[in-house]
Amino acid sequence: DAGVTQSPTHLIKTRGQQVTLRCSPKSGHDTVSWYQQALGQGPQFIFQYYEEEERQRGNFPDRFSGHQFPNYSSELNVNALLLGDSALYLCASSPETGLGQNEQFFGPGTRLTVL
Amino acid sequence: SQQGEEDPQALSIQEGENATMNCSYKTSINNLQWYRQNSGRGLVHLILIRSNEREKHSGRLRVTLDTSKKSSSLLITASRAADTASYFCAPVHGSGNTGKLIFGQGTTLQVKP
Repeated sequence: DAGVTQSPTHLIKTRGQQVTLRCSPKSGHDTVSWYQQALGQGPQFIFQYYEEEERQRGNFPDRFSGHQFPNYSSELNVNALLLGDSALYLCASSPETGLGQNEQFFGPGTRLTVL
Repeated sequence: SQQGEEDPQALSIQEGENATMNCSYKTSINNLQWYRQNSGRGLVHLILIRSNEREKHSGRLRVTLDTSKKSSSLLITASRAADTASYFCAPVHGSGNTGKLIFGQGTTLQVKP
């Protein structure tokens, strides 16, 4: 059983560009959350998707948007990249109901560098 | 603030020693979770303790929860070099799948061989 997978592993972009990060949740999970982790900091919640809709959102600007597909996979889009967007982007999945509904399973992350 | 605050920020011990790290939070919780993160990688869920539980064990891990003091501690016994990682607590304030984990800066543990 594959866990949470993310692509790409690393990405280098320049200021002003746009980026799309992808996440496939663990099998059986239908809820996907995205986090941003700057160097030396804890992960910060960006938003959560369930039933193809954004259900909760953290304190991030509208430049950060997402999507969830019918197969529960998800994308994170960031427009007009800033140097400060350089970070490790983590995807986490969980089941909406049943055992383990509170436990988040994290992917390995995508390291984004903005030059 | 809904996040947990870990203490100490950094901890360095010898292999075989016990490591204790603490977490404090400010508002009532449904449960509290501990996660581990090896350098630059994803987080791994370690243990979840519910608000009506006081202590929980998982292998070499022991978590306690004191809701009156709004604090939790994570004890790693007989530490190994492989335990070197950052440890985060995440207090969960709502019921159901809130999915929104609020992390502090974590405790960086170094276990020297």
